[in-house]
Amino acid sequence: AQRVTQPEKLLSVFKGAPVELKCNYSYSGSPELFWYVQYSRQRLQLLLRHISRESIKGFTADLNKGETSFHLKKPFAQEEDSAMYYCALSGNYGQNFVFGPGTRLSVLP
Amino acid sequence: NAGVTQTPKFQVLKTGQSMTLQCAQDMNHNSMYWYRQDPGMGLRLIYYSASEGTTDKGEVPNGYNVSRLNKREFSLRLESAAPSQTSVYFCASSEWPGNTIYFGEGSWLTVV
Repeated sequence: AQRVTQPEKLLSVFKGAPVELKCNYSYSGSPELFWYVQYSRQRLQLLLRHISRESIKGFTADLNKGETSFHLKKPFAQEEDSAMYYCALSGNYGQNFVFGPGTRLSVLP
Repeated sequence: NAGVTQTPKFQVLKTGQSMTLQCAQDMNHNSMYWYRQDPGMGLRLIYYSASEGTTDKGEVPNGYNVSRLNKREFSLRLESAAPSQTSVYFCASSEWPGNTIYFGEGSWLTVV
């Protein structure tokens, strides 16, 4: 069964510090991995997907199939990055998304 | 181009009352979803519709029903609301199952 874990419920960092949000997954095939972000009282929106290999708002994520991880990283956190971050997985042949429980990132001034 | 729109945004229900959450998308997507979001639980799939004319149960379907009215619209019905259904509900859509999902703004439902 597909499963996504995000071990940290809350992550607090100071402005300008590096940030890494952890995501691990279990899936037997070749999944597609996503990061979604939800700012306070707003809709969830796509931050990035591994297949596009792009950097959005300074965030990057690399799919590590050996470690089954898709950690989200940013070298210098900004206060506006404070939000809820969800890692998600989509399986082969279009099986539905599975979302992780989410990590709340708090960037302190 | 509004994306995914859902109504109402806020609703308070008494236990046992019924209500329908409406959702529409204007992106010509084939797949639509209803999720609930609870603190510490993340997003859980209630029902989904992979394409017009089909609906399937997700992870937490009990107490809910859905209708895929047409390609644009996917409604969620609570027949007899219970306090455990107090949550934030998100409608979403994607071009096909497994593609990037686009979310509505959410509906805050409180059952007292």
